[in-house]
Amino acid sequence: GQQLNQSPQSMFIQEGEDVSMNCTSSSIFNTWLWYKQDPGEGPVLLIALYKAGELTSNGRLTAQFGITRKDSFLNISASIPSDVGIYFCAGPNYGGSQGNLIFGKGTKLSVKP
Amino acid sequence: ETGVTQTPRHLVMGMTNKKSLKCEQHLGHNAMYWYKQSAKKPLELMFVYSLEERVENNSVPSRFSPECPNSSHLFLHLHTLQPEDSALYLCASSHSPGGGYGYTFGSGTRLTVV
Repeated sequence: GQQLNQSPQSMFIQEGEDVSMNCTSSSIFNTWLWYKQDPGEGPVLLIALYKAGELTSNGRLTAQFGITRKDSFLNISASIPSDVGIYFCAGPNYGGSQGNLIFGKGTKLSVKP
Repeated sequence: ETGVTQTPRHLVMGMTNKKSLKCEQHLGHNAMYWYKQSAKKPLELMFVYSLEERVENNSVPSRFSPECPNSSHLFLHLHTLQPEDSALYLCASSHSPGGGYGYTFGSGTRLTVV
C-alpha cells in the first residue's frame, strides 16, 4: 500500500538555525499536507499543497510540492523554541474505500535556546 | 465553542472495564475519524464516518466500537482492552471523506490500560 517516508526521524538544533525535512513516497500524490503536533495535543495543519512544483509559505515555514509528485519538503527558517514538536506529512490514501489521509511517521524537532 | 473537542483528555482503565471516548465538532464538517497514535508508529486510521454512516473499519478489533449519532458527535466505546491498546486516540473531522483539504484534529485522549 501507499507509504510516506519522512526524514530525518529527529533533529536537534540551535535556536536561530534553519531546518529542512522531507517526505517521499513510491506513489504519486496529488495533495501534500504538512502538520505539526505539539506535545500533548493533536496535529494542526500548517500548509497544504495541491500542484506539482507549488511553493507555499506560512510565516517562517515554506513547503514545496515536488515536481515528480512523489515528494515534498518543509523548511523552517530562524527556528525558535516554540517550533518544538513533531512534524507530519500526509496525503490522500487512494486505496481507501472513501479516501482518507495517510501520515508519515513524523520528524521530531528539538530546539535548544 | 469551535473546533474539535475530545473528552476525557486522560483515561486509565482496567482490562475488564467499559469506557467511552467522546468527540464533538462544531465546524459543520460531514466526515469524522478515529485515529490511534502509538509511540514510534504512524497515525493509524481506525474508523471513518461520512454523514453519520460508517464507511471504513480499518481491521480494528471488536473491543473498539464506534458510534456516530449525528454529524457533530462521535464516540468510541471500549471494552476488555489489552495493555497494548494504550495510546493517544485522536478524533478528526473534515468537510468531506476524502480529506484532501486536511483534517481538523482534537487534542486526543491519552488512554492507559492497566
